[in-house]
Amino acid sequence: QLQLQESGPGLVKPSETLSLTCTVSGGSISSSSYYWGWIRQPPGKGLEWIGSIYYSGSTYYNPSLKSRVTISVDTSKNQFSLKLSSVTAADTAVYYCARHFRAAKVSFFDYWGQGTLVTVSS
Amino acid sequence: EIVLTQSPATLSLSPGERATLSCRASQSVSSYLAWYQQKPGQAPRLLIYDASNRATGIPARFSGSGSGTDFTLTISSLEPEDFAVYYCQQRSNWQTFGQGTRLEIK
Repeated sequence: QLQLQESGPGLVKPSETLSLTCTVSGGSISSSSYYWGWIRQPPGKGLEWIGSIYYSGSTYYNPSLKSRVTISVDTSKNQFSLKLSSVTAADTAVYYCARHFRAAKVSFFDYWGQGTLVTVSS
Repeated sequence: EIVLTQSPATLSLSPGERATLSCRASQSVSSYLAWYQQKPGQAPRLLIYDASNRATGIPARFSGSGSGTDFTLTISSLEPEDFAVYYCQQRSNWQTFGQGTRLEIK
């Protein structure tokens, strides 16, 4: 059974960089047809896709966040990571990592981590 | 950007009743739409992909339909565990989600 687990600081100061890692177990991050994505959810609000990465390192990002986001992959550790720079209180959210099936125009997230709350506050 | 609008915002029904949730896209997404269920404190769970295909392990009481701009998620007979928030999601240039429909017990 594929499992994903987010890890990283739960508190980040304004203007600093948020850094999270997702560890994949029970399967290989190098599987074809699958990207690996980050999605966030502010408290009490809806879901926002941040970006996704293929095991080769190919990335695509939400245009509204693109200038601040970097997603990277480490296939040797079966992990992928998120960095979000210059954070503000508006970036406070539960951050989820997920397996992202993406082929042609088909796209969905079929396995999710449990999520980790990141609070931006001084 | 394609905007997904879900209706109603809140749906109040009783166990055993039929639930019909709507998702409308601001322009055609063909059949490339997914549905998710989210319970409090949990990650979303994939229910339906490609508008009408049930994901692995999803009960047959969940069904999806539609194409183009109008989509429906139907739960044929509500079980107590079905009361949750439901989101639709599409991919055009990038992924977007609807704002959600809260299905609550009447």
